[in-house]
Amino acid sequence: ELKVEQNPLFLSMQEGKNYTIYCNYSTTSDRLYWYRQDPGKSLESLFVLLSNGAVKQEGRLMASLDTKARLSTLHITAAVHDLSATYFCAVGEDSNYQLIWGAGTKLIIKP
Amino acid sequence: DTGVSQDPRHKITKRGQNVTFRCDPISEHNRLYWYRQTLGQGPEFLTYFQNEAQLEKSRLLSDRFSAERPKGSFSTLEIQRTEQGDSAMYLCASSLARGREAFFGQGTRLTVV
Repeated sequence: ELKVEQNPLFLSMQEGKNYTIYCNYSTTSDRLYWYRQDPGKSLESLFVLLSNGAVKQEGRLMASLDTKARLSTLHITAAVHDLSATYFCAVGEDSNYQLIWGAGTKLIIKP
Repeated sequence: DTGVSQDPRHKITKRGQNVTFRCDPISEHNRLYWYRQTLGQGPEFLTYFQNEAQLEKSRLLSDRFSAERPKGSFSTLEIQRTEQGDSAMYLCASSLARGREAFFGQGTRLTVV
């Protein structure tokens, strides 16, 4: 059974700092997603990672995937307040259609 | 196209009543998903449609839950004999293909009193 673990679950950081969120998963997968959720809002897609070594960047966010280690990272560079949100990773099992979601990382960026 | 649309946005119901939610996916998307999310948790998969066929359903899903997508366009999720534990945000998402991003609707927040 696929399990997805994110850490940290809560992160408070200062503007301008760098940090990394980790997403570990327990079985083989053919796809991994990162989503952002603002309080009371729905989920916004950030990245789709499909292959080992995949790296994608958008603004101050960069996501990478190591399928051998079953690990994805979401790196935040020079954080700004607008990036405050909860970030989820979601992993798809090879054999079915569903995504298994991490518990989310609540990120607070202080001015 | 304005994205995935869900209706209603909020629903308060008494325990034991039946409720039905609607989802209109992005028009060219043939894949449709229902998820449930409780406060402080990640979404939990409920069911998946490809066109009008329901191809997957969570093993954890009670028989009180049923979903349809009769013409491969909009979908409905019905919960019969609601319980307080059903209180959650119900999210619908659609996508073009496996490995493509899924776009989520704003969700229906259900409160069972």
